[in-house]
Amino acid sequence: DADVTQTPRNRITKTGKRIMLECSQTKGHDRMYWYRQDPGLGLRLIYYSFDVKDINKGEISDGYSVSRQAQAKFSLSLESAIPNQTALYFCATGDGGYTGELFFGEGSRLTVL
Amino acid sequence: QKEVEQDPGPLSVPEGAIVSLNCTYSNSAFQYFMWYRQYSRKGPELLMYTYSSGNKEDGRFTAQVDKSSKYISLFIRDSQPSDSATYLCAMRGAGGTSYGKLTFGQGTILTVHP
Repeated sequence: DADVTQTPRNRITKTGKRIMLECSQTKGHDRMYWYRQDPGLGLRLIYYSFDVKDINKGEISDGYSVSRQAQAKFSLSLESAIPNQTALYFCATGDGGYTGELFFGEGSRLTVL
Repeated sequence: QKEVEQDPGPLSVPEGAIVSLNCTYSNSAFQYFMWYRQYSRKGPELLMYTYSSGNKEDGRFTAQVDKSSKYISLFIRDSQPSDSATYLCAMRGAGGTSYGKLTFGQGTILTVHP
């Protein structure tokens, strides 16, 4: 089983719908992140959490919200999806170690029509 | 202007070639520099990590950082078809709160053909 699991892997929805992307990890890391990947733009940080009681906005948090339900679970919500939120979304974990290495899930591809 | 600029390619080379991938950046606060490799339909995985200026070698891969020029490179020697992937440079500042808050380049798509 993957260390960082994202569900769903693919989702097509309509403008205005509420969408939740879920992430769970078995690495035991405290730190979890949501990134968005768009062609030509690389990955951009949406939200991050250093522990269950800590939530922080990233570079592009507008239109998104998150919930850290447990150390191992971090979900991303789009309250009212719009077409420019069509992207590949990645959840990642980190142990805060010297290298700051991130461990990514396999991604959730979201299409908003 | 983006903080990190990376030529998106695509780059196509024959097997055995030396590949050079590059990124420039504008934020002088960046202290830690990384290269991630992303295979199709997969998440990125850390390939190389370098702190401040200098070189680091790991097998066929060499990472170089020149902070005075705000320029980083990844060299792949004896490239193999299995090296075909998207390569993303990433960097962050110092301090514990910056862990995981990476600024990524756009990614370079590399294809190594037999």
